[in-house]
Amino acid sequence: DADVTQTPRNRITKTGKRIMLECSQTKGHDRMYWYRQDPGLGLRLIYYSFDVKDINKGEISDGYSVSRQAQAKFSLSLESAIPNQTALYFCATSDRQRVTNEQFFGPGTRLTVL
Amino acid sequence: SNSVKQTGQITVSEGASVTMNCTYTSTGYPTLFWYVEYPSKPLQLLQRETMENSKNFGGGNIKDKNSPIVKYSVQVSDSAVYYCLLCFGNEKLTFGTGTRLTIIP
Repeated sequence: DADVTQTPRNRITKTGKRIMLECSQTKGHDRMYWYRQDPGLGLRLIYYSFDVKDINKGEISDGYSVSRQAQAKFSLSLESAIPNQTALYFCATSDRQRVTNEQFFGPGTRLTVL
Repeated sequence: SNSVKQTGQITVSEGASVTMNCTYTSTGYPTLFWYVEYPSKPLQLLQRETMENSKNFGGGNIKDKNSPIVKYSVQVSDSAVYYCLLCFGNEKLTFGTGTRLTIIP
């Protein structure tokens, strides 16, 4: 089974709708991240959480919110989706105990906003 | 399949120049990203290299599948973990395991 899972894997929604993307991990890592990827660009950080009670904005947090329900779960919400939020969304985890702090990514959620 | 190799750890003195390598195997020509992770901070994008701009980066060439990043006159504040990432279109991400750069004052 995958260590980092994301649901749904694909989603098509309409402008103005609220949508939630879920991320779960079984790696026991304390740190979790949400990124989006757009064609020709690298990963851009939306939000990150270093602990259950720690939530931080990334470089493109406007239009998004998150919830860290437990150490293993980190949800990303779009309160009112807009077309330029169409992208591939990745959740990642890392363990602060590891020397290189390598991030482990989920398989991605492809979101299309019509 | 795609794979990325990076040197695990590099330690140099302040003021030195350092080259961090990223060698990879791939079935095509990806876009290559370098990210840096400073202590207790998430990843930050450093540079993006494509077939079109590859010659602009010091010594790197995507055709050679060896795209290093070079830092000149490093400072203690450059100490961080540097990740190389391959990206094919909008689908596949392959991360290297990172190079931990330590600068000694």
